[in-house]
Amino acid sequence: DGGITQSPKYLFRKEGQNVTLSCEQNLNHDAMYWYRQDPGQGLRLIYYSQIVNDFQKGDIAEGYSVSREKKESFPLTVTSAQKNPTAFYLCASSMGTGSAGELFFGEGSRLTVL
Amino acid sequence: SQQGEEDPQALSIQEGENATMNCSYKTSINNLQWYRQNSGRGLVHLILIRSNEREKHSGRLRVTLDTSKKSSSLLITASRAADTASYFCATPPSGSARQLTFGSGTQLTVLP
Repeated sequence: DGGITQSPKYLFRKEGQNVTLSCEQNLNHDAMYWYRQDPGQGLRLIYYSQIVNDFQKGDIAEGYSVSREKKESFPLTVTSAQKNPTAFYLCASSMGTGSAGELFFGEGSRLTVL
Repeated sequence: SQQGEEDPQALSIQEGENATMNCSYKTSINNLQWYRQNSGRGLVHLILIRSNEREKHSGRLRVTLDTSKKSSSLLITASRAADTASYFCATPPSGSARQLTFGSGTQLTVLP
C-alpha cells in the first residue's frame, strides 16, 4: 500500500528533551511537509522540502529542525527551544513541481510535554 | 500567514440534509483545495478546483469558486453520519509554488 507513515502515533516528552518524529513515504513524491495543528485550529506549516538535501522554513520553524537525506524520509526534531511543543504533528507529501497540488497526509503524531 | 478562512466554524445538521461550508481567501490563487479530517486522524484530500473553473462535482460533493469574490463553497448533499468531520479549505499563497495554507476549518456534525 502506498502512503505516508508517521511514527510514533503518541509521544510523551519531558521538558528540556529533544524528540524526533519520523515520516516515511513510498509514493515517490518530491515534496514533503511538516504541519502543526493545535486543538480546534487549522494547520500551520513548520518546514517543507522540495528536493533531497534541501528544505525551507515555514511560518513557525523556530524550535524545530529537519533533514532530507533521502527522498522517502523527512524527520522532524522538536528541540528544547520550542516553548510550547504539545500539539498534533502532521507530515504530508506531494508530487511534481509548479503550482501546489494535492497533499497526501500521514495519520499524525501527538506529542505531549509532561 | 493564513490565506483561507472557513465559515461557519461549526455546523450541525440532521442526516439527509445538505451541508454548505464557505471559504474566503485574500490573494489571487491558482487553485483551491478542500480536505476532510476525522477526529485525531490525518487530512484527506477531497477536491481541487482550478482558478479557471467555476464548479466541480465529485460524488455527493459540489464545489464552487468565485474568484471575483475570492470565495469558495463546499456542498455535501444527502449527508450521512459518516460525514461528521472537520473540513478545511487550502490555497497556495501568492508567490508560492509549493506551500498550501489552511484555514481553521468547519466542524460538521451530522446527527443520525
